[in-house]
Amino acid sequence: GQNIDQPTEMTATEGAIVQINCTYQTSGFNGLFWYQQHAGEAPTFLSYNVLDGLEEKGRFSSFLSRSKGYSYLLLKELQMKDSASYLCAVKEGNYQLIWGAGTKLIIKP
Amino acid sequence: DAMVIQNPRYQVTQFGKPVTLSCSQTLNHNVMYWYQQKSSQAPKLLFHYYDKDFNNEADTPDNFQSRRPNTSFCFLDIRSPGLGDAAMYLCATSSRPDGSYEQYFGPGTRLTVT
Repeated sequence: GQNIDQPTEMTATEGAIVQINCTYQTSGFNGLFWYQQHAGEAPTFLSYNVLDGLEEKGRFSSFLSRSKGYSYLLLKELQMKDSASYLCAVKEGNYQLIWGAGTKLIIKP
Repeated sequence: DAMVIQNPRYQVTQFGKPVTLSCSQTLNHNVMYWYQQKSSQAPKLLFHYYDKDFNNEADTPDNFQSRRPNTSFCFLDIRSPGLGDAAMYLCATSSRPDGSYEQYFGPGTRLTVT
């Protein structure tokens, strides 16, 4: 079956670093996306991994291990505006995504 | 700026009264998607179009229909909304300039059923 697991909620402190994990079991794999979603708003694209390794983009980095069915999103120098839900999504075929339920990240001063 | 636009942002309808949500895009993407998202849940794909080819998810209720009259516009029709259909409806588009098929989302329409 298809399954994407993420922690439901995490709390971190402003200025710190947080790692949000995602594990997946899907029948196919053509890439993994991370999206950010603020409450009541649409998801916005953060990163895309198709090969193993780390992709860095400013304060955000995303890591993929296809053999382990595992990815993480690393957020550095946390800011209050980073409080949001972070969704992991796997592309199984050419363009459809299987979505996780998201991790709600709470940033405290 | 190229974008995905959804109207209205908030829609209130009565139980059983048909409602139509609209989506337009200026990205000229060939794939368009409709998702339903309930609070703290993953977006649930209802259907998608690849150009004019319509693809319905197996578990999408018959109550939900869609139309795509041209590349730019897509509509979601809910024929007889029930209380369980109250949700955020997200329209997204994608293309394949680099093979990633990244999805671009509109701001969503929050549907309330009374």
